[in-house]
Amino acid sequence: EAGVAQSPRYKIIEKRQSVAFWCNPISGHATLYWYQQILGQGPKLLIQFQNNGVVDDSQLPKDRFSAERLKGVDSTLKIQPAKLEDSAVYLCASSFPRAHEQYFGPGTRLTVT
Amino acid sequence: AQKITQTQPGMFVQEKEAVTLDCTYDTSDQSYGLFWYKQPSSGEMIFLIYQGSYDEQNATEGRYSLNFQKARKSANLVISASQLGDSAMYFCAMREGRGTSYDKVIFGPGTSLSVIP
Repeated sequence: EAGVAQSPRYKIIEKRQSVAFWCNPISGHATLYWYQQILGQGPKLLIQFQNNGVVDDSQLPKDRFSAERLKGVDSTLKIQPAKLEDSAVYLCASSFPRAHEQYFGPGTRLTVT
Repeated sequence: AQKITQTQPGMFVQEKEAVTLDCTYDTSDQSYGLFWYKQPSSGEMIFLIYQGSYDEQNATEGRYSLNFQKARKSANLVISASQLGDSAMYFCAMREGRGTSYDKVIFGPGTSLSVIP
């Protein structure tokens, strides 16, 4: 069974530039999560989708971050414009509805200079 | 207020020994779940074990067991017979809610475990 796919794996941009991350969840997983993990901290949920609807985006900085999950499968997370403090690993995870376990992708390491 | 506390930023254990990683949590919900995830240096989060708040017995998965003390609000991870491949960051996490897709999972700050040969 294929795992959660993410791309790119690494990205370096200058502040004020824009960037987009892509996630392809495990087939059949209706729930998709985007997390931000700053170095030395635990993951922080940015947004949670159930199919193509948003369940929770309370911690998403909506003035610069946006996310979509068209057709309830793949998802993209965008940052525009990026700030230095956005440097982090962005993790995508997916799960079956009501399942305990989330399956994580390898993450995208973003460096903003 | 921090909901998940992991007071040990770093731990060392001798290979083949057992080690306990501490986790305390704060919630007013009666229904919740507790998780442990492992994050090796490669960066991917790996699910280890789950304990529901109504589960009467402590969860076990192979060499991993969860020491759940509800009254103390603690959910410590015990790794038996440590192996070199156990060296990683370990995160305690909590799901508040009724086990639906609308529950949010909150992660603790993590504990770095190093296994010494």
